[in-house]
Amino acid sequence: GENVEQHPSTLSVQEGDSAVIKCTYSDSASNYFPWYKQELGKGPQLIIDIRSNVGEKKDQRIAVTLNKTAKHFSLHITETQPEDSAVYFCAASINTGTASKLTFGTGTRLQVTL
Amino acid sequence: EAGVAQSPRYKIIEKRQSVAFWCNPISGHATLYWYQQILGQGPKLLIQFQNNGVVDDSQLPKDRFSAERLKGVDSTLKIQPAKLEDSAVYLCASSRKPGTREETQYFGPGTRLLVL
Repeated sequence: GENVEQHPSTLSVQEGDSAVIKCTYSDSASNYFPWYKQELGKGPQLIIDIRSNVGEKKDQRIAVTLNKTAKHFSLHITETQPEDSAVYFCAASINTGTASKLTFGTGTRLQVTL
Repeated sequence: EAGVAQSPRYKIIEKRQSVAFWCNPISGHATLYWYQQILGQGPKLLIQFQNNGVVDDSQLPKDRFSAERLKGVDSTLKIQPAKLEDSAVYLCASSRKPGTREETQYFGPGTRLLVL
């Protein structure tokens, strides 16, 4: 089955700096890569996603890049703010048109300090 | 629209007892998922329903876990008997159309289970 590795496990940045989280996946058939943000006591919330026919996607301060050849994808957060502090999960999925099974990474705890 | 609802939010039981969790997905979402999230790890899929049928339960420990989705809306996940290693957050998620551009999974707040 699919295996997703995520690094780093913890990341501390100063407010205004950029943060980068990297993930690798094992199954070359994976074609959908969402990123989730999980705050304490809450369920994961989708922040951005990318499909295998796209190399990069941006939404305001958040961007995701995908390298299908190397089987890795990354989350970039610019101009970090204290409210960005949370645990971030990457995931990979093989979508068959009728089913979608997400395999999650182990998470990155991001702390934005003042 | 209302999000995914789960109850209870917290549950403490002793090992060998049974426990049940309830989930109400977003209205109109045909697909429902149950995940187990152990502390410090990412969510792991236990079971996926499409309407009231099971699509994938390959990672569900069927000797002690069971789930149902009668009438294709609400779902319950049961553990009987519970073991210490079942301590985790149980997340429910739903999506409109998996495998399409409407496949985003929306998660509920989870039920935090502690087995003593």
